[in-house]
Amino acid sequence: DIQMTQSPSSLSASVGDRVTITCQASQDISNYLNWYQQKPGKAPKLLIYDASNLETGVPSRFSGSGSGTDFTFTISSLQPEDIATYYCQQYDNLPTFGQGTKLEIK
Amino acid sequence: QVQLVQSGAEVKKPGASVKVSCKASGYTFTSYGISWVRQAPGQGLEWMGWISAYNGNTNYAQKLQGRVTMTTDTSTSTAYMELRSLRSDDTAVYYCARDKRERYSPDTFDYWGQGTLVTVSS
Repeated sequence: DIQMTQSPSSLSASVGDRVTITCQASQDISNYLNWYQQKPGKAPKLLIYDASNLETGVPSRFSGSGSGTDFTFTISSLQPEDIATYYCQQYDNLPTFGQGTKLEIK
Repeated sequence: QVQLVQSGAEVKKPGASVKVSCKASGYTFTSYGISWVRQAPGQGLEWMGWISAYNGNTNYAQKLQGRVTMTTDTSTSTAYMELRSLRSDDTAVYYCARDKRERYSPDTFDYWGQGTLVTVSS
């Protein structure tokens, strides 16, 4: 299985801050990398697919980059409604998820 | 609009089986695969497996091989996930999720069911 190492595991930031989460794959996965947002008690929501493509309807403050083994997810200006846990997920082989990053407001 | 509606919560004893359903609507069911993803309390997401709604081909996570079976009923646009020999660490919310693209393997999940809590307890 391809292992996905996501960091940090938790993050506290202020409204308006730029927030960055990283995800590292245990082997080259090209751009086969997605990012999801999950709020408590809800199903995950797709935000970014194929490393850098914004899903329809997702605000443009969310973005993704990277290829190969190293990927970055960015929120350009943190909003209160962005409080959630974020997961990366690879699909180069059978899908696996990162362990998640819990984002809190400072 | 695309919707995935799952069956209700279940409580099972260790060693029993559970079968969770996921009824799809708003799209051509046979054009997209369905994955099952579970989440233990307070834990992260775990991909369990995938089924092609087109031809019934499956891929299962290695740790669940032999205990999980995924099927579809195209006449009712419903996917099913059965997990056998339940243990306490199978207690989780189980989600079905649709593939974003028409492919022959799982990739990106754009629509999700609401989740089904399965509790395994003696």
